[in-house]
Amino acid sequence: GENVEQHPSTLSVQEGDSAVIKCTYSDSASNYFPWYKQELGKRPQLIIDIRSNVGEKKDQRIAVTLNKTAKHFSLHITETQPEDSAVYFCAASWSIIQGAQKLVFGQGTRLTINP
Amino acid sequence: DSGVTQTPKHLITATGQRVTLRCSPRSGDLSVYWYQQSLDQGLQFLIHYYNGEERAKGNILERFSAQQFPDLHSELNLSSLELGDSALYFCASSELSSYNEQFFGPGTRLTVL
Repeated sequence: GENVEQHPSTLSVQEGDSAVIKCTYSDSASNYFPWYKQELGKRPQLIIDIRSNVGEKKDQRIAVTLNKTAKHFSLHITETQPEDSAVYFCAASWSIIQGAQKLVFGQGTRLTINP
Repeated sequence: DSGVTQTPKHLITATGQRVTLRCSPRSGDLSVYWYQQSLDQGLQFLIHYYNGEERAKGNILERFSAQQFPDLHSELNLSSLELGDSALYFCASSELSSYNEQFFGPGTRLTVL
């Protein structure tokens, strides 16, 4: 069945350093790959997404890369700041039928930025 | 604020009981998704409704059911509750297209005692 593996489960970096989170997916038909950030007790919020026809996307300090051949995608956060501390979820989505979309989430990475 | 609302915020009930969680999507969004997030767990997809019709099912238990009404709000019904059903339940909504961001509501925290 559909599966998304996310690594590492926890990540601790010094403020100002970079953080990288990696995900692999099982279904080659997946075509949309969002990343969500969830602060404690809050809702998940989209921080960046990438579609299958693009290999890389960047938004200020955040970038995502996609390797469709290897079925993996990664989140890169540069110049990390304390407010980046949160749980990050990757997800793989695909259309089942017109108007139907299913998201399968990774297990999450708890990122801690140490001052 | 994502524009998605969920009620109630918290719900405490006993085993064997039945509860209903409510979700109102963003204005104009036709799709509603339900997710379950247990303690220190990821987000488990339960079910997707599009314009009133069920479109996709995830690992939703038979004791759980959902529906989407003509005004597009959705309800998730959980019955014969067990301790293990304690979790955060999120709904999310998205536009018509299959490639759009899902906007999450604030969640309902269910505690089964």
